[in-house]
Amino acid sequence: EVQLVESGGGLVQPGGSLRLSCAASGFTFSTYWMSWVRQAPGKGLEWVANIKQDGSEKYYVDSVKGRFTISRDNARNSLYLQMNGLRDEDTALYYCARVSGGWSRTAFDIWGQGTMVTVSS
Amino acid sequence: DIVMTQSPDSLAVSLGERATINCKSSQSVLYSSNNKKYLAWYQQKPGQPPKLLIYWASTRESGVPDRFSGSGSGTDFTLTITSLQAEDVAVYYCQQYYSTPFTFGPGTKVDIK
Repeated sequence: EVQLVESGGGLVQPGGSLRLSCAASGFTFSTYWMSWVRQAPGKGLEWVANIKQDGSEKYYVDSVKGRFTISRDNARNSLYLQMNGLRDEDTALYYCARVSGGWSRTAFDIWGQGTMVTVSS
Repeated sequence: DIVMTQSPDSLAVSLGERATINCKSSQSVLYSSNNKKYLAWYQQKPGQPPKLLIYWASTRESGVPDRFSGSGSGTDFTLTITSLQAEDVAVYYCQQYYSTPFTFGPGTKVDIK
């Protein structure tokens, strides 16, 4: 079964850090671009970052540039999001998503269940 | 950035009737070199992650019922649910993947009348 399972969320104070993980299974992880997408409570979806199959290209939404870093370990079939300098507005459910077809610009065809990040003092 | 808008914000449709959701992009998401429209539709039910319904504006994802269809031009798109079923109650989002930052519409909530 194709599956993505996120972990690492939690409660953190403003200015703090968290590292999210996403474990992939059921498909050849190393052949897909991967993404992080977040959803603030009761709000819509916001794309956060993308990473190429070999990690050589990464793209971010402006609001997280310089604070968040996307990375991957193909040997461990895992995707990561290092979040530093967290702000109240980063509070959201963070989804790991597969970019379909192995291309950089296609739809997100597989989603995890998400991991909740709460930034609060 | 490409801004995505959707209308209406919400709609209530009787079981078996048609639901139509509109999505507009602030600039064309039609890539001329391959004539593909970089537009997807997702369905999100309460407490669940989004589910891909339609990609390339009109291609149905595997396993998606054929009552869901997508259409549109370079900037104006439509998701149609013919014969609405109870399990279609959800929020529907359009998304452009033409350029980063990939952006989503604000969502349209579909309920049963």
